[in-house]
Amino acid sequence: DAGVIQSPRHEVTEMGQEVTLRCKPISGHDYLFWYRQTMMRGLELLIYFNNNVPIDDSGMPEDRFSAKMPNASFSTLKIQPSEPRDSAVYFCASSFKTGGFNYGYTFGSGTRLTVV
Amino acid sequence: GENVEQHPSTLSVQEGDSAVIKCTYSDSASNYFPWYKQELGKRPQLIIDIRSNVGEKKDQRIAVTLNKTAKHFSLHITETQPEDSAVYFCAASHKAAGNKLTFGGGTRVLVKP
Repeated sequence: DAGVIQSPRHEVTEMGQEVTLRCKPISGHDYLFWYRQTMMRGLELLIYFNNNVPIDDSGMPEDRFSAKMPNASFSTLKIQPSEPRDSAVYFCASSFKTGGFNYGYTFGSGTRLTVV
Repeated sequence: GENVEQHPSTLSVQEGDSAVIKCTYSDSASNYFPWYKQELGKRPQLIIDIRSNVGEKKDQRIAVTLNKTAKHFSLHITETQPEDSAVYFCAASHKAAGNKLTFGGGTRVLVKP
């Protein structure tokens, strides 16, 4: 398995532009997570899906952020309009759960977003 | 919700010495406690995990202990090597919140040759 695949690896955009980050989870994993990492706030969970359904989006900072998971193999995180304070590394992770425990929680390589 | 505190935030050790990182969690229902290592510019990678039905787990030079009564768990790295230098994160999974992991703030470990 190629692991969790994210694209693009780097994104530089101007303030006000729309940004779309993409993620392909590991096949067979039924949970998908979007995290944001900054020096100041560490690793923050933004939203997570179970079987393509959003379960908890309480970490999404504001309405400018939205996430979708149209099928089991693809998810997007969109920021519209982007602002400089959105600059961070965005990680996608996937896992599966059985017997009440988590298994295989794996991160993608991340997207480093810079908003200028 | 779950809250995970991690200490220390930075740790400098001499090569060959041991390193210990401690985490506390708030929700007694949490049942899964992984540790991740993140090298500069790379993704967090799972290095060891422990579940609530055991108190200790070891994998070569790393070990994790769990005290559910006190709600804390620790990572122990023995015979540290320069390649152990990285940021280490602990996390806890809240049972009622599915697979959602709450992370500690991270510990930057520097192993001096």
